[in-house]
Amino acid sequence: GENVEQHPSTLSVQEGDSAVIKCTYSDSASNYFPWYKQELGKRPQLIIDIRSNVGEKKDQRIAVTLNKTAKHFSLHITETQPEDSAVYFCAASHDNAGNMLTFGGGTRLMVKP
Amino acid sequence: EAQVTQNPRYLITVTGKKLTVTCSQNMNHEYMSWYRQDPGLGLRQIYYSMNVEVTDKGDVPEGYKVSRKEKRNFPLILESPSPNQTSLYFCASSSLAGGDYEQYFGPGTRLTVT
Repeated sequence: GENVEQHPSTLSVQEGDSAVIKCTYSDSASNYFPWYKQELGKRPQLIIDIRSNVGEKKDQRIAVTLNKTAKHFSLHITETQPEDSAVYFCAASHDNAGNMLTFGGGTRLMVKP
Repeated sequence: EAQVTQNPRYLITVTGKKLTVTCSQNMNHEYMSWYRQDPGLGLRQIYYSMNVEVTDKGDVPEGYKVSRKEKRNFPLILESPSPNQTSLYFCASSSLAGGDYEQYFGPGTRLTVT
């Protein structure tokens, strides 16, 4: 089955700096890669996703890049703000509707004011 | 309001006492799933369902049962809970129609088995 590894497990940055979280996956058939943000005590929520036919996707301060050859994808957050502090999960799926998700272990991002 | 609900939100129980965690969604989603969240392990899928009366095992199904008798409900059953099932549980749902790939999560159920 699919295996998703996520690094780093914790990341501390100064407000205004950039943050990068990296994930690798094992199943070359995976074709959908979402990122979920989980604030303390809350449920995970989708923040951005990318499909295998796209190399990069941006949404304001957040971007995701995908390298299918190397089987890795990354989340980039620019101009970090304290409200970006949360746990971020990457995931991979090989079904057409993106339902069968395998999640990475999570990254706790701390943005210091 | 479109939402996924879970009950109870918190539960402390003893080893061997059967329990059920309910999950309900009002978005007419075909797909529903249960995850458990443990520190450092991310979210691991327990069971999932593609539609009514269609369920299948995820990555960590041992010790759990599910049923999908109605489209909106997907209860998680622990027939004989053990301490290693102490965890934070999330139910999620999503549409199988093209376009919206997002899984919508419930608020979570924190279960402690002593």
